[in-house]
Amino acid sequence: DVVMTQSPLSLPVTLGQPASISCRSSQSLVYSDGNTYLNWFQQRPGQSPRRLIYKVSNRDSGVPDRFSGSGSGTDFTLKISRVEAEDVGVYYCMQGTHWLITFGQGTRLEIK
Amino acid sequence: QITLKESGPTLVKPTQTLTLTCTFSGFSLSTSGVGVGWIRQPPGKALEWLALIYWDDDKRYSPSLKSRLTITKDTSKNQVVLTMTNMDPVDTATYYCAQFFGGWFNYWGQGTLVTVSS
Repeated sequence: DVVMTQSPLSLPVTLGQPASISCRSSQSLVYSDGNTYLNWFQQRPGQSPRRLIYKVSNRDSGVPDRFSGSGSGTDFTLKISRVEAEDVGVYYCMQGTHWLITFGQGTRLEIK
Repeated sequence: QITLKESGPTLVKPTQTLTLTCTFSGFSLSTSGVGVGWIRQPPGKALEWLALIYWDDDKRYSPSLKSRLTITKDTSKNQVVLTMTNMDPVDTATYYCAQFFGGWFNYWGQGTLVTVSS
């Protein structure tokens, strides 16, 4: 199994300040087609997960440009340039490269 | 517009079999590359992928639960059914179905909370 390890697990942030979440995989997420199927999801309280970023750095339609994804191989990062109140929730990374799909443990973002 | 909705019992007893149905619209499970998966989330805990069925009827299961899971599809009804045998209180969770395409889950249902208790 590919283990996805997120840090930190809890992230208190002041409104307007940046935030960064790390996701590390136990194996390379580069697929044979050259793509890296690392995705980020946001789950607001009481809601279903919503995809934010796909293939490492591609923002989904409607996702504010304060969200950005980066990384390669086994080391990935989700950054929020200026945290807003609506960003509160849990963030998960997920890999779809290896057939056993795995999620990270989640990072809970809260406002200080 | 793509939508998915989970349905099934909200309460099951230990040792019973759980049957959940995902009814979707806005896409076809006969389209090459498309799949529908199930993911669960125990209260306050992380997401756990359970099973996935592809347009060509290829099926994948989480190894830790494979012996208890069966996933099937009815393309004509736009439905995917997940059965999980021998339910236990630790299986209490919100169960989501989601469209899988391109290496990720694109659209998610609202989820259905299943409680396992006698």
